[in-house]
Amino acid sequence: DAGVIQSPRHEVTEMGQEVTLRCKPISGHDYLFWYRQTMMRGLELLIYFNNNVPIDDSGMPEDRFSAKMPNASFSTLKIQPSEPRDSAVYFCASSLSSGPYNEQFFGPGTRLTVL
Amino acid sequence: GQQVMQIPQYQHVQEGEDFTTYCNSSTTLSNIQWYKQRPGGHPVFLIQLVKSGEVKKQKRLTFQFGEAKKNSSLHITATQTTDVGTYFCAGISGTASKLTFGTGTRLQVTL
Repeated sequence: DAGVIQSPRHEVTEMGQEVTLRCKPISGHDYLFWYRQTMMRGLELLIYFNNNVPIDDSGMPEDRFSAKMPNASFSTLKIQPSEPRDSAVYFCASSLSSGPYNEQFFGPGTRLTVL
Repeated sequence: GQQVMQIPQYQHVQEGEDFTTYCNSSTTLSNIQWYKQRPGGHPVFLIQLVKSGEVKKQKRLTFQFGEAKKNSSLHITATQTTDVGTYFCAGISGTASKLTFGTGTRLQVTL
């Protein structure tokens, strides 16, 4: 079992550029979560999907952030335009179909640096 | 909104000493999960508690869910250097459908 796969692992970009983070959940998992981790704010849930449908995006910081899940095996988190305060580690996680009460399996994360 | 706080933020112990982290929620929780994140790594699920007053053990780790389901604790007996990392609690309140992670406790263990 490959686990949750995220790419890229590291991303360095300049302010104003578009950034796209990618995630492949564990096969058979129906829930997918995007988190952001910073020293100041800890681990924050940005958005989660159930069966490819966004359920709760209340954690998305602002309109610069968008997330999609076109199919059960792929999701993207896009930041456009990026700002230095977006620098963080972004984690994708997935869980089984019985929902958020199940354990979440986290990917290795994408460390984003916006200069 | 729901807030989950953990204390202490950081603890440094000598190997062999015990360690406890406490998790407190502003609202009653349906469940509590605990995760461990090694330095540079990602959170890894440890355990879930659901029942009021529940206690579960995993080798040297003891997890407890408070009677009022608003707090939880993780106790590690005789710490080892492999216990180094940040421990997060995470819970779902009655009306929410998503996990809220606690602020985390970073544990450092030295020989």
